[in-house]
Amino acid sequence: DAGVTQSPTHLIKTRGQQVTLRCSPKSGHDTVSWYQQALGQGPQFIFQYYEEEERQRGNFPDRFSGHQFPNYSSELNVNALLLGDSALYLCASSTLRVNNEKLFFGSGTQLSVL
Amino acid sequence: SQKIEQNSEALNIQEGKTATLTCNYTNYSPAYLQWYRQDPGRGPVFLLLIRENEKEKRKERLKVTFDTTLKQSLFHITASQPADSATYLCALDGGSYIPTFGRGTSLIVHP
Repeated sequence: DAGVTQSPTHLIKTRGQQVTLRCSPKSGHDTVSWYQQALGQGPQFIFQYYEEEERQRGNFPDRFSGHQFPNYSSELNVNALLLGDSALYLCASSTLRVNNEKLFFGSGTQLSVL
Repeated sequence: SQKIEQNSEALNIQEGKTATLTCNYTNYSPAYLQWYRQDPGRGPVFLLLIRENEKEKRKERLKVTFDTTLKQSLFHITASQPADSATYLCALDGGSYIPTFGRGTSLIVHP
């Protein structure tokens, strides 16, 4: 049973560019959450998708957008990249359908903005 | 504003001793609290969940306590091993299924 998979594992972009990160949830999970983790900090919630809709959003600008597909996989898009967007981007899956609070995380995408 | 505090300084202990990590919170009414382990360059891994009406939870060498009056959770690892060295994250959720994470405490277990 594959866990949460994220791609790519590493990415280097320059300021102003756009990036798309991808996530496949654990088998049987219906909910995907995205977190940003800066070095030495805890994960910060970006948004959560359930049934292809954005269920809740954290305190992130509109440059951050996402999507969930019918197979529950998800994408995170960041436009007009800033140096401060450099971080580890984590995808976590869970099952809202059965009110399961536990999150399963992928290994993340390390984004460097130069 | 809501705040979750975990010791920013690393905790260094000798193998075989009990490690105790602290998570304090303010301006928060959590329905439950979770502890995760994170290794460098990897995503967090779920360890334990304790609900607001529970005082203590155990799993193998792990024990977590939850005091909603003190607004504090303690996370214990007994008979610690070098393989337990990692960053441990505390996460609180008011019932939205979207936990808020602390910055984590680094644990280093010396052989």
